[in-house]
Amino acid sequence: ETGVTQSPTHLIKTRGQQVTLRCSSQSGHNTVSWYQQALGQGPQFIFQYYREEENGRGNFPPRFSGLQFPNYSSELNVNALELDDSALYLCASSLLGGAEAFFGQGTRLTVV
Amino acid sequence: KQEVTQIPAALSVPEGENLVLNCSFTDSAIYNLQWFRQDPGKGLTSLLLIQSSQREQTSGRLNASLDKSSGRSTLYIAASQPGDSATYLCAVRGLRSGNTGKLIFGQGTTLQVKP
Repeated sequence: ETGVTQSPTHLIKTRGQQVTLRCSSQSGHNTVSWYQQALGQGPQFIFQYYREEENGRGNFPPRFSGLQFPNYSSELNVNALELDDSALYLCASSLLGGAEAFFGQGTRLTVV
Repeated sequence: KQEVTQIPAALSVPEGENLVLNCSFTDSAIYNLQWFRQDPGKGLTSLLLIQSSQREQTSGRLNASLDKSSGRSTLYIAASQPGDSATYLCAVRGLRSGNTGKLIFGQGTTLQVKP
């Protein structure tokens, strides 16, 4: 167990809807990153949050947004869902500066 | 642009065999490299982290090596067991990522260990 928890574990949404995924980081970690993993692929970096601000972003459109709270927990919001957004969404926590990343169990999002 | 490749994509071995998983990366300017295990439909479990200044790391039956100049890392699993069956992913954190913490992953090697 890594101490990183994500909710919910599974979710089914309709195309065009909005979704919020949640992540509670490991105790003492101040940085949260989000990844999208399509079936059979490696995870792709979405963005990272440090001290409640986004400080790095991958090649994802603005309809992917996030928040980090003072207790370092985080949310990933996706607006206007598309079928291709169906994936496993992973949250990772770490200390800033390139330390070891610890992942949660993921949220499986299915868009129909 | 950093690219990470893992070969082979899939591997099936009998129980007890020693095996090597390969990971290559195109840009040697890395901060560290991390090996993960992923069970079907689950999250990632960190196995080993190798800093760019290190040559290898060991944990139990696992040994990971890093050759930064050639852009390669290997994960050695000794005396494989059916419980080792999973997908193994390597990921690098580039120096050019600064403090973003961005990990770039390979596509993984899916390992099956037969009893």
